[in-house]
Amino acid sequence: GQSLEQPSEVTAVEGAIVQINCTYQTSGFYGLSWYQQHDGGAPTFLSYNALDGLEETGRFSSFLSRSDSYGYLLLQELQMKDSASYFCAGKKTGANNLFFGTGTRLTVIP
Amino acid sequence: NAGVTQTPKFRILKIGQSMTLQCTQDMNHNYMYWYRQDPGMGLKLIYYSVGAGITDKGEVPNGYNVSRSTTEDFPLRLELAAPSQTSVYFCASSDRGESNQPQHFGDGTRLSIL
Repeated sequence: GQSLEQPSEVTAVEGAIVQINCTYQTSGFYGLSWYQQHDGGAPTFLSYNALDGLEETGRFSSFLSRSDSYGYLLLQELQMKDSASYFCAGKKTGANNLFFGTGTRLTVIP
Repeated sequence: NAGVTQTPKFRILKIGQSMTLQCTQDMNHNYMYWYRQDPGMGLKLIYYSVGAGITDKGEVPNGYNVSRSTTEDFPLRLELAAPSQTSVYFCASSDRGESNQPQHFGDGTRLSIL
């Protein structure tokens, strides 16, 4: 089987840093992606990790540890517009498709 | 720059009716996908295609059919609508199937079956 587990909700203060975790249980895991989805909107791609370590893209960073079957998305200098749902998505080796986690709803408060 | 276009945006169907959700992309992507998203949940893959003439089942294909006669178009067909198919449907495309290739999503079709 395959599953990606995320916390359902996270609340953080504007200007702060927040970490959204994603743990996976799947054999032949290939890579971890992150997508952002605002209410009523479409998912949009944020980042991807194929190798262990940290990938940085502006205020957003993503981390993967294969040995721990764990990854996270780090959002720095939070802005109100970062309030959205964030999904991790995994891929099995040889597969042509992604499978998505259930998502974490981030609420940024003043 | 249209990207992925889905029509209609909203639709209400009666139980047992049929309909086709349209999806077209102008990025010349080989890979296309159909997902459904129930309230507060993640995306579940219905069907996907790696190129014209090639389709494959995803996680939740029952009650749906697809075809891929051209690179641009990937319609999703519901034959006998059931209340369990009430959901938001997203079409997506990517250049290749690797995880580092972003999937580009349409704005979704909100479908209610009553």
